[in-house]
Amino acid sequence: DIQMTQSPSTLSASVGDRVTITCRASQTISTWLAWYQQKPGKAPKLLIYEASTLESGVPSRFSGSGSGTEFTLTISSLQPEDFATYYCQQYNSYGITFGQGTRLEIK
Amino acid sequence: QVHLVQSGAEVERPGASVRVSCKASGYTFTGNYIHWVRQAPGQGLEWMGWINPNTGGTNYAQKFQVRVTMTSDTSISTFYMELGTLRSDDTAVYYCARAFSTLHYYFDYWGQGTLVTVSS
Repeated sequence: DIQMTQSPSTLSASVGDRVTITCRASQTISTWLAWYQQKPGKAPKLLIYEASTLESGVPSRFSGSGSGTEFTLTISSLQPEDFATYYCQQYNSYGITFGQGTRLEIK
Repeated sequence: QVHLVQSGAEVERPGASVRVSCKASGYTFTGNYIHWVRQAPGQGLEWMGWINPNTGGTNYAQKFQVRVTMTSDTSISTFYMELGTLRSDDTAVYYCARAFSTLHYYFDYWGQGTLVTVSS
């Protein structure tokens, strides 16, 4: 299976900050990568697919980039509702795998 | 609008089996694969497998190969995931999730989750 490694595991930031989360794949996955946001007690919510395509309805302060093995999720100006846990997911192969998650907390 | 509504919480003994249901609405039932993903308390997301509602074909993660069965019932637009020989580390929230397409296995809609607790 392809391993997905996110960094950092925890990120402390303030409202208005620009933040970046990184996701690395153990082998190339082209751009078959999605990002999700999860809040406590809720199901994950799709933010970005194909590494950089914003899902309908997701605010434009979220953006994704990368290809091959290295990917980033950027939030350009943090809003209070953005404090949550973020997961990357590769769907290049039949063995779908997720990163371990990045918890974004208020500084 | 698309909805995936899952069955309620379950408490099971070690060694037992559990079946979780996921009722789909708002789209063509046979148009999208359904995947199952679980999340242990305080942990990350773990993919379990998928079912093709058109053919009944399945693909399971190797870890769950011998213990999981995914099925669907087109007549009532419902998917099922059965996990057998339960252990305490199977305690988790189980989600069904719709794959965007048969080629792109990212998940655009999720069920609300079903907590399965395994305890003696």
